[in-house]
Amino acid sequence: QVQLVESGGGVVQPGESLRLSCPASGFTFSTHSMHWVRQAPGKGLEWVAVISYDGTYKFYAESVKGRFTISRDNSKNTLYLEMSSLRDEDTAVYYCAGDQVEKTIRGDAFDFWGQGTVVIVSA
Amino acid sequence: QSVLTQPPSASGTPGQRVTISCSGSSSNIGFDYVSWYQQLPRAAPKLIIYRNYQRPSGVPDRFSGSKSGTSASLAISGLRSEDEADYYCAAWDDSLRGWVFGGGTRVTVL
Repeated sequence: QVQLVESGGGVVQPGESLRLSCPASGFTFSTHSMHWVRQAPGKGLEWVAVISYDGTYKFYAESVKGRFTISRDNSKNTLYLEMSSLRDEDTAVYYCAGDQVEKTIRGDAFDFWGQGTVVIVSA
Repeated sequence: QSVLTQPPSASGTPGQRVTISCSGSSSNIGFDYVSWYQQLPRAAPKLIIYRNYQRPSGVPDRFSGSKSGTSASLAISGLRSEDEADYYCAAWDDSLRGWVFGGGTRVTVL
């Protein structure tokens, strides 16, 4: 079955950087768009970024544009999120999510989700 | 303030029908498909409706979705205690060039 396992979360200070990873299994990773979605404590879901199945297209939420970079390594079946210049408001559970429809540029829906990794930005 | 507007809460007794609205604009709901997600307490979200009204395999037919113009809705019929959760709508916004979520609706089974 589909499995997404996020890792790399932790406690960092404002201005620091962090890299999240999401190895995938149970489906053909290289033909599916992938997303990062976050949820601040006690808040709703916020989409962060999406990358097309081949890595050509990337879209970001305005709140992270210029600070976060989404990438993927299809040879390793792994999704990444490089986060820099972290702010207090970036504190959240970060989920990776995949789209069931194959070969889309920005995804069709968030069909499957990992369990999330916690990022805390605090001085 | 979310781009997609949902009521913060909804409730019903077991067996009742509950409907959750999701209001958007011509650049998101009016432009593309709507999907819905259920998030049980302390769990990751789960897709329950995609492409406006389609149900993934394994999702009970008590859950149904619809869309008209710039609004969408999720209906839960035959409400059960295990339906108590937060529900979110989502759509691609072509003006923002990104995905947007509704603020979420907490469903309580009385």
